[in-house]
Amino acid sequence: ELKVEQNPLFLSMQEGKNYTIYCNYSTTSDRLYWYRQDPGKSLESLFVLLSNGAVKQEGRLMASLDTKARLSTLHITAAVHDLSATYFCAVLRFPSGSRLTFGEGTQLTVNP
Amino acid sequence: DSGVTQTPKHLITATGQRVTLRCSPRSGDLSVYWYQQSLDQGLQFLIQYYNGEERAKGNILERFSAQQFPDLHSELNLSSLELGDSALYFCASSVEFRVSNTGELFFGEGSRLTVL
Repeated sequence: ELKVEQNPLFLSMQEGKNYTIYCNYSTTSDRLYWYRQDPGKSLESLFVLLSNGAVKQEGRLMASLDTKARLSTLHITAAVHDLSATYFCAVLRFPSGSRLTFGEGTQLTVNP
Repeated sequence: DSGVTQTPKHLITATGQRVTLRCSPRSGDLSVYWYQQSLDQGLQFLIQYYNGEERAKGNILERFSAQQFPDLHSELNLSSLELGDSALYFCASSVEFRVSNTGELFFGEGSRLTVL
């Protein structure tokens, strides 16, 4: 059974600081997705990582994928309050219906 | 706006009742997925349909059922509701997975079900 684990699950950080969220998964997959969710809202796609060594950046967020280590990271640079949200990583489980298996989510709070 | 439409947005009902949640996928997407998000279980995959046929099943209770209609909209039926069924139910859609595409899921706004 595919397991996806994130850490930390809760992260409180000061504005202007850097931090990394880790996502480990248990079986082979070449595709890794990061989503953002604001409280009570939908999931917004942030990054799609399609191969080993993939790196994507958008603003203060950068995601990377190491398929050999079965690890993805989401790095936050110089955090701002607007980044406060819950971040999920998800792994594609194909050919079992091509569904995504999600991690538990990391609840990020950025304090002024 | 992801293009995935879910109704109703909020639903309050009593234990033992039955409800139906509706989802319209993005234009052109043939796959529909249902996920349940509760505080203690996180995001749990329930079921996937592709072009009207069930493609994969996850942790879906026997009291729950789903279908996808010829116009590709999908419905999730929840019956004999219990307090523990209170959750946010998301529908997502995607194109058919191929090596050449991203496999990305696009999520609706969710239906928040409260069982009293």
